[in-house]
Amino acid sequence: NAGVTQTPKFQVLKTGQSMTLQCAQDMNHNSMYWYRQDPGMGLRLIYYSASEGTTDKGEVPNGYNVSRLNKREFSLRLESAAPSQTSVYFCASSRMGVFMNTEAFFGQGTRLTVV
Amino acid sequence: DAKTTQPPSMDCAEGRAANLPCNHSTISGNEYVYWYRQIHSQGPQYIIHGLKNNETNEMASLIITEDRKSSTLILPHATLRDTAVYYCIVRVRDGGSQGNLIFGKGTKLSVKP
Repeated sequence: NAGVTQTPKFQVLKTGQSMTLQCAQDMNHNSMYWYRQDPGMGLRLIYYSASEGTTDKGEVPNGYNVSRLNKREFSLRLESAAPSQTSVYFCASSRMGVFMNTEAFFGQGTRLTVV
Repeated sequence: DAKTTQPPSMDCAEGRAANLPCNHSTISGNEYVYWYRQIHSQGPQYIIHGLKNNETNEMASLIITEDRKSSTLILPHATLRDTAVYYCIVRVRDGGSQGNLIFGKGTKLSVKP
């Protein structure tokens, strides 16, 4: 009963390094999302994928790219990390787009520090 | 999406009902009210949602006023494990950009022994 699994759980990067955050869900959900959460703030949507093969920008997409590898997996890539990208990153999935009256399930987060 | 207003913090005694208010005075007719919570920096957890009728599930009850401008999440018998930040979100039923749950700062609920 894994739900939404994110890897890694913790990461420290140097400015300018690149990395990919991985996310997989085993609930056969169509839609997947990447959020970031900064200290004392709510979550902000970075990118989402309404269905396999589609991706769209959210509220704060600059500095990130995503890939919906298949129905299960949705990765987030930082091409050249910056200190402003220090945050906790959450992946989520839902059966359909959340506006379609369904709930979203979240992973446990990836805590990223860029120095 | 409609903007929501929640108190930044609330306290509740263990075993008592916790009533968390949310104001969404600009809500549209096709917007649902969702509640999520986040326990100690874990991933947010879905609690309940509704359109205009009151809703109840195993976790909580959602009371939506008749004019839909505000709602209250009720945890009937709060426990220490209910200490969390609670987010009230309104979201359109269809149309517009998909999947965009807009989280505010929420209400930090502290359940005390």
